[in-house]
Amino acid sequence: NAGVTQTPKFRILKIGQSMTLQCTQDMNHNYMYWYRQDPGMGLKLIYYSVGAGITDKGEVPNGYNVSRSTTEDFPLRLELAAPSQTSVYFCASTMTGNQPQHFGDGTRLSIL
Amino acid sequence: AQTVTQSQPEMSVQEAETVTLSCTYDTSESNYYLFWYKQPPSRQMILVIRQEAYKQQNATENRFSVNFQKAAKSFSLKISDSQLGDTAMYFCALSAGANSKLTFGKGITLSVRP
Repeated sequence: NAGVTQTPKFRILKIGQSMTLQCTQDMNHNYMYWYRQDPGMGLKLIYYSVGAGITDKGEVPNGYNVSRSTTEDFPLRLELAAPSQTSVYFCASTMTGNQPQHFGDGTRLSIL
Repeated sequence: AQTVTQSQPEMSVQEAETVTLSCTYDTSESNYYLFWYKQPPSRQMILVIRQEAYKQQNATENRFSVNFQKAAKSFSLKISDSQLGDTAMYFCALSAGANSKLTFGKGITLSVRP
């Protein structure tokens, strides 16, 4: 089992560019999440999904979009990159609320 | 809304000694789960321990144990026989309500001295 896989691991973008952070899981988990971690801080929830076709906003959704067309994949899209979006992004998944979330290894994104 | 507070930004402990990391939380939900995650320099998020709010018994995982004080909304992590590999950032997290969303504290940086 690969668990939760995120690509790419690192990326540098210019202001105004767009990109998609990929996340896939092979554990057949219903729930998937995107978090961002700013330096010296905890993780903050951007978007989440409770199943294919269902997504909802988290604490810091502005500037991001998501889709969930399959159980396995939950991509995060940045449409117009801004310096404030420089961060480390984590994708996570879980089967139910009483189980721990499984995290990917993160994507370090720098916007210059 | 849920909140998690870790007020100590960093701690240091001698190898083989015991250290306790503090965490307080707030939620209006009656059913919730608490977690400690470890983040080493590799940046991975690794589950250390989990506590279910309806269980009075404190969770234990090898050298890691918690002191769960439900009335005080306190959830501290005790690391016994500290090892150099325990050096990492530790996050306290709360999952409450629908959709299993996690709320994280700001984390504490733990350094284990040889």
